[in-house]
Parts: sequence; structure tokens; C-alpha cells
Amino acid sequence: KNEVEQSPQNLTAQEGEFITINCSYSVGISALHWLQQHPGGGIVSLFMLSSGKKKHGRLIATINIQEKHSSLHITASHPRDSAVYICAVGTGNEKLTFGTGTRLTIIP
Amino acid sequence: SQTIHQWPATLVQPVGSPLSLECTVEGTSNPNLYWYRQAAGRGLQLLFYSVGIGQISSEVPQNLSASRPQDRQFILSSKKLLLSDSGFYLCAWLTSPGLNEQFFGPGTRLTVL
Repeated sequence: KNEVEQSPQNLTAQEGEFITINCSYSVGISALHWLQQHPGGGIVSLFMLSSGKKKHGRLIATINIQEKHSSLHITASHPRDSAVYICAVGTGNEKLTFGTGTRLTIIP
Repeated sequence: SQTIHQWPATLVQPVGSPLSLECTVEGTSNPNLYWYRQAAGRGLQLLFYSVGIGQISSEVPQNLSASRPQDRQFILSSKKLLLSDSGFYLCAWLTSPGLNEQFFGPGTRLTVL
């Protein structure tokens, strides 16, 4: 079993829909990261959180430390949100463990 | 401002040929640097990381090696490429020790034929 599990693996939705991507992990963490990988391959850090909730524009990330679970939400989704979203956890040793990613496609 | 460069952006190499991918960072000193590989349909896999000049830790046994000849330079190499070395290679540096926030370079797409 992977230490970081994401679901779903693939998600297709209509423009405007509310999107939820889930991440579960099985180890103790110092922080959880949500990353966005564009079709060209470049990776951008969206959020880094160790508790509670963070919001940036239409993106919201939440984490439940007790349940070892995090969610990434996108409100009013847009085709430009189409990308692979990756969950990663840091375990305090300055290394990250990555999920396999969720491929999101937003149809106009 | 901090910037991370990788080159080349794409590379097509025959099996058995050597490899050298370079990563340089600007705007920081003594960074932790990382090499990752993303194979088709797979997640990011940590290959090497370095906490300083000449200090390399290898995460998985493989056909690749890494070197850090200067503080802000990290090189990924191979003497003889295998088909299985194909993938997307990303360099990253640690921006926030303790919270493990990493900033990724633009990546190099390697195809071994």
C-alpha cells in the first residue's frame, strides 16, 4: 500500500462544477502539499498546510490530521484548471512522499 | 528572487549513450537540492538529494548518478542509458526546511530509444 493515496485517479467535469480531490496518508507528517502539474510538465506549489484550511482564489485545501486526510476543492471550475493535481507529504526529514496524482479535465 | 533552471528541456538519446542533465538555482545559498523522475503514468520518485557540495544521497539503486560540484549546481548523469531511464526529470530545491516546501524546476523530458 502506498503511503499517499489519491482519489479519484481521473476526473472529468463540466465547466462551473465544484471539484473535490482527496488525499489519504498513512504516516505522521510535518506538512501536506498540494501541487499542480501543467500539461507541459511544470509543477507549481498550490498549498502547504499542517492543519485546518487554506484558501487561494477558487482553490480551497483542508486537512484533518486525526483522520490523516486532506481535500482539495475547486469552486466554479474552468477549463484552465485542467491539470494533474498531486498530493505530497513531508515527514520531517526534508523529503517528500508523493501521491500518483489526479488528472482533472474540465470541459467547456 | 529565487529561480531554478534545468537544461535541456527535451532530450532524445539512444540506448547505451551517456547522459548529463544540469540544474542550477539562483537567489539562494546552500540549498537542499533534489532530483526526481516521473515515469509515464507514475508518480514522482525521488532519485537523489544533496545537502551541500559533494554530498549526495541516493534513494533508489539505479543506472544514474548525481554530483554537486558547486553550491547551486546539481548534475544528473549516466554512463550508459537504458530504455527504462525514459521519463520526466525534475530538479527541486527546499525553500522551507521543516515544512518541506520545495520549488520545482521546469523539467527535462528524456526519451531513450
